[in-house]
Amino acid sequence: QLQLQESGPGLVKPSETLSLTCTVSGGSMISRSYYWDWIRQTPGKGLEWIGSIDHDGSTDYNPSLRGRVTMSVDTSKNQFSLGLRSVTAADTAVYYCARADYDDYYYALDIWGQGTTVTVSS
Amino acid sequence: DIQMTQSPSSLSASVGDRVTIKCRATQTISSFLNWYQQKPGRAPKLLIYAASNLQSGVPPRFSGSGAGTDFTLTINSLQPEDFATYYCQQSYNTPSITFGQGTRLEIK
Repeated sequence: QLQLQESGPGLVKPSETLSLTCTVSGGSMISRSYYWDWIRQTPGKGLEWIGSIDHDGSTDYNPSLRGRVTMSVDTSKNQFSLGLRSVTAADTAVYYCARADYDDYYYALDIWGQGTTVTVSS
Repeated sequence: DIQMTQSPSSLSASVGDRVTIKCRATQTISSFLNWYQQKPGRAPKLLIYAASNLQSGVPPRFSGSGAGTDFTLTINSLQPEDFATYYCQQSYNTPSITFGQGTRLEIK
């Protein structure tokens, strides 16, 4: 049973970089083609897609995050990571990592981590 | 961006009821529409993908329909564990996916 688990600091200071890692267990990230996504959730904006990465390291990011996002993958550790630069209070959210299963007719987030709360505050 | 609007934002129902939740896209998205269930303090759970396909392990009382811009999630014979918040999500512009604002299903 594949599982995802987010890890990283729960508190980040304004203007600094938020860094989170998602560890995949119970299976390999390269056993089949999937995308590996980050999503965040706030009471005000709801669920917001941040970006995705595949096992080769190809990325796509939400344009609304204006170039502050970087994602990377380390298949030897079965991990992928999120970096979000120049954070403000608006980046306070629950951050989820998730696996995206896809084919020609769908792109669905079928396995999610439990989520981690990140607060931006001095 | 494709915007997704769900209706209603909240509804109350009783165990055994049949409920429908609607989702509308600002442009056609064919059948690239998924539904999720989220309970407090938990991650969303995939229920329906590609508008009408039941995710493995999801009870058959859940069903989805629609295509183009208008979609519906139906829950037949509500069970106590179904009271949660439901989200639609478009994947037409993959991977730039967007979610609806959610529909909170409460016990009457």
